[in-house]
Amino acid sequence: GQQLNQSPQSMFIQEGEDVSMNCTSSSIFNTWLWYKQDPGEGPVLLIALYKAGELTSNGRLTAQFGITRKDSFLNISASIPSDVGIYFCAGQKGTGTASKLTFGTGTRLQVTL
Amino acid sequence: DVKVTQSSRYLVKRTGEKVFLECVQDMDHENMFWYRQDPGLGLRLIYFSYDVKMKEKGDIPEGYSVSREKKERFSLILESASTNQTSMYLCASRTNHYGYTFGSGTRLTVV
Repeated sequence: GQQLNQSPQSMFIQEGEDVSMNCTSSSIFNTWLWYKQDPGEGPVLLIALYKAGELTSNGRLTAQFGITRKDSFLNISASIPSDVGIYFCAGQKGTGTASKLTFGTGTRLQVTL
Repeated sequence: DVKVTQSSRYLVKRTGEKVFLECVQDMDHENMFWYRQDPGLGLRLIYFSYDVKMKEKGDIPEGYSVSREKKERFSLILESASTNQTSMYLCASRTNHYGYTFGSGTRLTVV
């Protein structure tokens, strides 16, 4: 089955730095989602994007739905230690409840003091 | 808040054993999913279910089966566990049209 390509695979940054990561696909998605997984826990939804070109913020997090509908971006500003975790993008092609999410390979973020 | 509960956080099983991973959600959701998570591979869909007694294969169903006898419970079964099934297993319930709620995961080690 298809998987989405995320980059970078991992990042080591200092507290206070901004972070950017992206997710690309060979096919079009109608919805893009970003999840964060804390160590030892399941992923939790951060941001949902429903329209091409849409830019949505959630606190220090900002995500964009690419105009081509084949990519999405997540930015984290002024990183803090609790940002540590794995970030997953997910795309959905349909709009009904029968539609499934396809997940990215994940970006592991480490924040140093 | 929706709660998705996976019965075990850690499991160690022997090769050839039959293994049951249990997942329960408390919000009467119709759609439930089982994923496995491996480093560098992200989340891969094993099986999903649209409703009671309904199931469909995901991307990597080989070596697994599922059971959905009641709406709140979705079980993943490893018929004969093998070492390449050592992984983190995540159950999810569809919260709405666009989001899933995940359980905390079960880390399975097959020795």
